[in-house]
Amino acid sequence: GESVGLHLPTLSVQEGDNSIINCAYSNSASDYFIWYKQESGKGPQFIIDIRSNMDKRQGQRVTVLLNKTVKHLSLQIAATQPGDSAVYFCAETLKGIDGLTFGKGTHLIIQP
Amino acid sequence: ETGVTQTPRHLVMGMTNKKSLKCEQHLGHNAMYWYKQSAKKPLELMFVYSLEERVENNSVPSRFSPECPNSSHLFLHLHTLQPEDSALYLCASSQDNYGYTFGSGTRLTVV
Repeated sequence: GESVGLHLPTLSVQEGDNSIINCAYSNSASDYFIWYKQESGKGPQFIIDIRSNMDKRQGQRVTVLLNKTVKHLSLQIAATQPGDSAVYFCAETLKGIDGLTFGKGTHLIIQP
Repeated sequence: ETGVTQTPRHLVMGMTNKKSLKCEQHLGHNAMYWYKQSAKKPLELMFVYSLEERVENNSVPSRFSPECPNSSHLFLHLHTLQPEDSALYLCASSQDNYGYTFGSGTRLTVV
């Protein structure tokens, strides 16, 4: 079965607003999480990652939050731009296991 | 070149053909992976090679045959495929299960 899932298949936001994409995972043993962005015709592109010993990590315009209590992961994108339009996936893995488990993805649409 | 490169980008093959997908990573990683991405489905892990040895095949049909001659190259040999095998095939690499990097994929169409 699917161990990582996303709450919404599509998210539409206004350009300049902040976006929040959510992800739920079911394997409490997972210790490493990654957010990917996939544009049409391209492979998944790394955005940001976080290990289970952290609850927040920031990058350039992006922040990942990890809530291990409720097994929830979120990606926040600040000041959304047209170039942020893509499908966003969260993925999980754990030490000793090779390979990532992916959710279905959320399609982020930017309204002008 | 840097990153993970896959060839060809697009491939159309008949059900009786034999073809191969190629992946090369320039990151010095010690593990490589094949993933299948079908429409409206999560990415599915097909094969894992760690230190050039296969460690996972996830019950993939035998018409898909991986080959990893060294830590930088990975192949996926295809024969007698079915139309439902049409998908985007993605290669990835990692270092000790971290720093996953994906290629752009091969869009495969089986006719």
